[in-house]
Amino acid sequence: GAVVSQHPSRVICKSGTSVKIECRSLDFQATTMFWYRQFPKQSLMLMATSNEGSKATYEQGVEKDKFLINHASLTLSTLTVTSAHPEDSSFYICSALGLGLSDTQYFGPGTRLTVL
Amino acid sequence: QQPVQSPQAVILREGEDAVINCSSSKALYSVHWYRQKHGEAPVFLMILLKGGEQKGHDKISASFNEKKQQSSLYLTASQLSYSGTYFCGTERGSGNTPLVFGKGTRLSVIA
Repeated sequence: GAVVSQHPSRVICKSGTSVKIECRSLDFQATTMFWYRQFPKQSLMLMATSNEGSKATYEQGVEKDKFLINHASLTLSTLTVTSAHPEDSSFYICSALGLGLSDTQYFGPGTRLTVL
Repeated sequence: QQPVQSPQAVILREGEDAVINCSSSKALYSVHWYRQKHGEAPVFLMILLKGGEQKGHDKISASFNEKKQQSSLYLTASQLSYSGTYFCGTERGSGNTPLVFGKGTRLSVIA
Protein backbone atom coordinates (compact mmCIF):
# COMPACT_ATOMS: atom_id res chain seq x y z
CA GLY A 1 0.00 0.00 0.00
CA ALA A 2 0.82 3.72 0.15
CA VAL A 3 1.83 4.13 -3.48
CA VAL A 4 2.38 7.54 -5.01
CA SER A 5 2.75 7.99 -8.74
CA GLN A 6 4.04 10.88 -10.81
CA HIS A 7 3.53 11.65 -14.43
CA PRO A 8 5.46 12.16 -16.55
CA SER A 9 8.62 10.50 -15.28
CA ARG A 10 10.76 12.46 -17.69
CA VAL A 11 10.08 15.52 -19.81
CA ILE A 12 12.15 17.66 -22.13
CA CYS A 13 10.76 20.99 -23.21
CA LYS A 14 11.81 24.17 -24.92
CA SER A 15 12.53 27.32 -23.00
CA GLY A 16 9.40 29.42 -22.53
CA THR A 17 6.92 26.57 -22.54
CA SER A 18 4.89 25.28 -19.61
CA VAL A 19 5.03 21.79 -18.14
CA LYS A 20 2.48 20.11 -15.91
CA ILE A 21 3.50 17.37 -13.48
CA GLU A 22 0.89 15.19 -11.80
CA CYS A 23 1.20 13.55 -8.41
CA ARG A 24 -1.33 10.91 -7.44
CA SER A 25 -1.84 8.85 -4.33
CA LEU A 26 -3.06 5.54 -5.70
CA ASP A 27 -4.38 3.65 -2.73
CA PHE A 28 -4.91 6.25 -0.05
CA GLN A 29 -6.28 9.73 0.39
CA ALA A 30 -3.84 12.55 0.91
CA THR A 31 -5.07 15.82 2.31
CA THR A 32 -1.55 17.17 2.15
CA MET A 33 1.06 16.79 -0.55
CA PHE A 34 4.49 18.34 -0.69
CA TRP A 35 6.54 19.33 -3.71
CA TYR A 36 10.31 19.10 -3.54
CA ARG A 37 13.04 19.92 -6.00
CA GLN A 38 16.40 18.22 -6.10
CA PHE A 39 19.42 19.37 -8.08
CA PRO A 40 22.18 16.87 -8.87
CA LYS A 41 24.05 15.63 -5.82
CA GLN A 42 22.06 17.89 -3.54
CA SER A 43 19.37 17.36 -0.98
CA LEU A 44 15.65 17.68 -1.48
CA MET A 45 14.47 21.24 -1.06
CA LEU A 46 10.86 21.88 -0.23
CA MET A 47 9.07 24.11 -2.70
CA ALA A 48 5.52 24.16 -1.43
CA THR A 49 2.87 22.46 0.65
CA SER A 50 -0.30 21.58 -1.16
CA ASN A 51 -3.54 21.15 0.76
CA GLU A 52 -6.67 19.78 -0.85
CA GLY A 53 -9.20 22.48 -1.50
CA SER A 54 -7.02 25.41 -0.50
CA LYS A 55 -4.15 27.51 -1.80
CA ALA A 56 -0.68 26.08 -1.62
CA THR A 57 1.86 27.43 0.83
CA TYR A 58 5.13 28.32 -0.85
CA GLU A 59 8.56 28.34 0.70
CA GLN A 60 10.57 31.52 0.73
CA GLY A 61 12.19 32.17 -2.59
CA VAL A 62 9.80 30.01 -4.62
CA GLU A 63 7.74 32.04 -7.09
CA LYS A 64 4.11 31.09 -6.77
CA ASP A 65 3.27 32.57 -10.16
CA LYS A 66 5.90 30.44 -11.81
CA PHE A 67 5.21 27.18 -10.01
CA LEU A 68 1.44 26.78 -10.01
CA ILE A 69 0.08 24.14 -7.67
CA ASN A 70 -3.43 22.78 -7.74
CA HIS A 71 -4.68 20.15 -5.27
CA ALA A 72 -8.07 19.45 -6.77
CA SER A 73 -8.87 16.20 -5.00
CA LEU A 74 -7.71 13.98 -2.17
CA THR A 75 -5.65 11.93 -4.58
CA LEU A 76 -4.25 14.44 -7.05
CA SER A 77 -1.96 17.44 -6.93
CA THR A 78 -0.42 19.10 -9.96
CA LEU A 79 2.62 21.32 -10.34
CA THR A 80 2.84 23.47 -13.44
CA VAL A 81 6.14 25.06 -14.28
CA THR A 82 5.24 28.10 -16.36
CA SER A 83 7.57 29.73 -18.86
CA ALA A 84 10.26 27.21 -18.06
CA HIS A 85 13.93 28.17 -18.35
CA PRO A 86 17.07 26.00 -18.35
CA GLU A 87 17.69 26.82 -14.68
CA ASP A 88 14.38 25.11 -13.87
CA SER A 89 15.85 21.83 -15.03
CA SER A 90 15.76 19.56 -12.00
CA PHE A 91 14.29 16.46 -10.42
CA TYR A 92 10.84 17.28 -9.06
CA ILE A 93 9.48 14.94 -6.40
CA CYS A 94 6.15 14.97 -4.65
CA SER A 95 5.26 13.30 -1.40
CA ALA A 96 1.89 12.56 0.08
CA LEU A 97 0.85 12.46 3.68
CA GLY A 98 -1.84 9.86 4.06
CA LEU A 99 -4.82 10.02 6.32
CA GLY A 100 -4.16 7.69 9.20
CA LEU A 101 -0.73 6.65 7.96
CA SER A 102 1.20 7.71 11.04
CA ASP A 103 2.86 10.88 9.78
CA THR A 104 4.75 8.99 7.12
CA GLN A 105 5.40 10.78 3.87
CA TYR A 106 5.42 8.59 0.81
CA PHE A 107 7.36 9.86 -2.16
CA GLY A 108 6.49 9.59 -5.80
CA PRO A 109 9.12 8.32 -8.26
CA GLY A 110 10.02 11.83 -9.35
CA THR A 111 9.92 13.74 -12.62
CA ARG A 112 13.11 14.75 -14.35
CA LEU A 113 12.59 18.03 -16.18
CA THR A 114 15.07 19.21 -18.77
CA VAL A 115 14.55 22.63 -20.30
CA LEU A 116 16.49 23.28 -23.47
CA GLN B 1 16.91 24.85 9.88
CA GLN B 2 18.53 22.06 7.89
CA PRO B 3 19.72 19.10 10.00
CA VAL B 4 23.38 18.22 9.80
CA GLN B 5 24.35 14.76 8.66
CA SER B 6 27.66 13.04 9.17
CA PRO B 7 29.65 11.60 7.61
CA GLN B 8 29.14 13.05 4.15
CA ALA B 9 30.27 9.84 2.53
CA VAL B 10 31.40 6.40 3.57
CA ILE B 11 32.70 3.35 1.77
CA LEU B 12 32.16 -0.08 3.27
CA ARG B 13 32.98 -3.61 2.35
CA GLU B 14 30.14 -6.11 2.46
CA GLY B 15 29.49 -7.23 6.00
CA GLU B 16 30.86 -4.11 7.67
CA ASP B 17 28.81 -1.82 9.88
CA ALA B 18 28.17 1.90 9.59
CA VAL B 19 26.56 4.67 11.58
CA ILE B 20 25.04 7.79 10.08
CA ASN B 21 24.26 10.70 12.34
CA CYS B 22 21.70 13.46 12.04
CA SER B 23 21.60 16.41 14.39
CA SER B 24 19.61 19.59 14.65
CA SER B 25 20.06 22.88 16.42
CA LYS B 26 16.32 23.03 17.05
CA ALA B 27 13.98 20.78 18.98
CA LEU B 28 12.75 17.87 16.92
CA TYR B 29 9.28 16.40 16.83
CA SER B 30 10.30 13.45 14.72
CA VAL B 31 13.05 12.11 12.49
CA HIS B 32 12.45 10.30 9.23
CA TRP B 33 15.08 8.25 7.43
CA TYR B 34 15.11 7.65 3.68
CA ARG B 35 17.43 5.97 1.22
CA GLN B 36 17.72 7.23 -2.32
CA LYS B 37 19.37 5.40 -5.19
CA HIS B 38 20.73 7.32 -8.13
CA GLY B 39 17.98 8.64 -10.37
CA GLU B 40 15.22 7.38 -8.13
CA ALA B 41 12.97 8.91 -5.51
CA PRO B 42 13.71 8.47 -1.81
CA VAL B 43 12.40 5.31 -0.21
CA PHE B 44 11.05 5.49 3.31
CA LEU B 45 13.01 3.49 5.89
CA MET B 46 11.59 4.47 9.24
CA ILE B 47 10.22 7.24 11.39
CA LEU B 48 11.10 7.89 15.01
CA LEU B 49 8.67 9.87 17.07
CA LYS B 50 9.56 9.62 20.72
CA GLY B 51 12.62 10.63 22.65
CA GLY B 52 14.93 7.70 23.10
CA GLU B 53 12.96 5.62 20.66
CA GLN B 54 14.73 2.91 18.73
CA LYS B 55 13.47 1.01 15.74
CA GLY B 56 14.75 -1.76 13.56
CA HIS B 57 14.13 -2.79 9.99
CA ASP B 58 15.96 -5.93 8.91
CA LYS B 59 19.60 -5.07 9.70
CA ILE B 60 18.97 -1.34 9.69
CA SER B 61 18.00 0.32 12.93
CA ALA B 62 17.84 3.83 14.29
CA SER B 63 17.72 5.71 17.54
CA PHE B 64 16.35 9.13 18.39
CA ASN B 65 17.58 11.14 21.33
CA GLU B 66 15.09 13.92 21.69
CA LYS B 67 17.08 15.72 24.38
CA LYS B 68 20.24 15.78 22.31
CA GLN B 69 18.22 16.64 19.19
CA GLN B 70 19.89 13.92 17.22
CA SER B 71 19.26 10.62 15.56
CA SER B 72 21.54 7.85 14.36
CA LEU B 73 20.99 5.24 11.68
CA TYR B 74 22.80 1.93 12.17
CA LEU B 75 23.55 -0.37 9.27
CA THR B 76 24.70 -3.80 10.36
CA ALA B 77 26.45 -6.36 8.17
CA SER B 78 25.99 -4.16 5.14
CA GLN B 79 24.91 -5.59 1.82
CA LEU B 80 25.54 -4.30 -1.68
CA SER B 81 21.90 -3.24 -1.84
CA TYR B 82 22.47 -0.78 0.98
CA SER B 83 24.40 1.52 -1.34
CA GLY B 84 22.75 4.86 -1.91
CA THR B 85 22.35 8.25 -0.32
CA TYR B 86 20.73 8.33 3.08
CA PHE B 87 18.75 11.36 4.11
CA CYS B 88 17.33 12.25 7.45
CA GLY B 89 14.28 14.47 7.42
CA THR B 90 13.11 16.35 10.43
CA GLU B 91 9.72 17.79 11.17
CA ARG B 92 9.40 21.38 12.27
CA GLY B 93 6.31 20.60 14.29
CA SER B 94 3.69 17.97 14.88
CA GLY B 95 0.98 17.29 12.35
CA ASN B 96 1.00 17.89 8.62
CA THR B 97 4.32 19.62 8.36
CA PRO B 98 6.87 19.13 5.61
CA LEU B 99 10.24 17.58 6.18
CA VAL B 100 13.50 19.45 6.15
CA PHE B 101 16.18 17.18 4.79
CA GLY B 102 19.85 17.00 5.60
CA LYS B 103 22.39 17.08 2.80
CA GLY B 104 22.63 13.33 2.75
CA THR B 105 25.26 10.68 3.40
CA ARG B 106 26.50 8.79 0.38
CA LEU B 107 27.07 5.15 1.27
CA SER B 108 28.93 2.83 -1.06
CA VAL B 109 29.13 -0.86 -0.27
CA ILE B 110 31.71 -2.79 -2.24
CA ALA B 111 32.30 -6.50 -2.55
